[in-house]
Amino acid sequence: DAKTTQPPSMDCAEGRAANLPCNHSTISGNEYVYWYRQIHSQGPQYIIHGLKNNETNEMASLIITEDRKSSTLILPHATLRDTAVYYCIVRVRDNQGGKLIFGQGTELSVKP
Amino acid sequence: NAGVTQTPKFRVLKTGQSMTLLCAQDMNHEYMYWYRQDPGMGLRLIHYSVGEGTTAKGEVPDGYNVSRLKKQNFLLGLESAAPSQTSVYFCASSSRGTGQETQYFGPGTRLLVL
Repeated sequence: DAKTTQPPSMDCAEGRAANLPCNHSTISGNEYVYWYRQIHSQGPQYIIHGLKNNETNEMASLIITEDRKSSTLILPHATLRDTAVYYCIVRVRDNQGGKLIFGQGTELSVKP
Repeated sequence: NAGVTQTPKFRVLKTGQSMTLLCAQDMNHEYMYWYRQDPGMGLRLIHYSVGEGTTAKGEVPDGYNVSRLKKQNFLLGLESAAPSQTSVYFCASSSRGTGQETQYFGPGTRLLVL
């Protein structure tokens, strides 16, 4: 599975959009991009995933560049409850049991 | 529908003691996983299971054993606990096929080995 690079920390003002970048320059054609987040002391929570098209759900939007070497997770109106560590994960969709490799992620602090 | 539950929530062990962590899920998921998370680190996969009666090693399997005798349960065993196994342990489950990487996590078990 391709390696990802994320900034260790970011700040965002409450009510503003939070844009979390992720670089995955070695991604291959059949690898998906997944985003999870972990609020302090809790188990990680799935947010969104995509292959090459932009995706949106009730939690966030995922923008993947045309060359697929990077992506951005967008929380459109960040709240204090969005303060968490956000993990960007790249992996192939296969029958190997959905194993995920978590890096160190980006610690997002949403401030009043 | 409780999702993924873990027992116990917190435990203190002495070096050399043994214990079993229990994970249960009520979503009829085929896949189950055990992770550990050390302070300031991401999660690391210990063992996983792709179905009842099957288990496989993850990134950091040494010192742990697992069993999946029932589809809804996944047990993690420490035969002889060491201080290096002090960590937070998370269990997760996912369905087979598309969406298998969408994992649902339990609340975690905090283990302290003295």
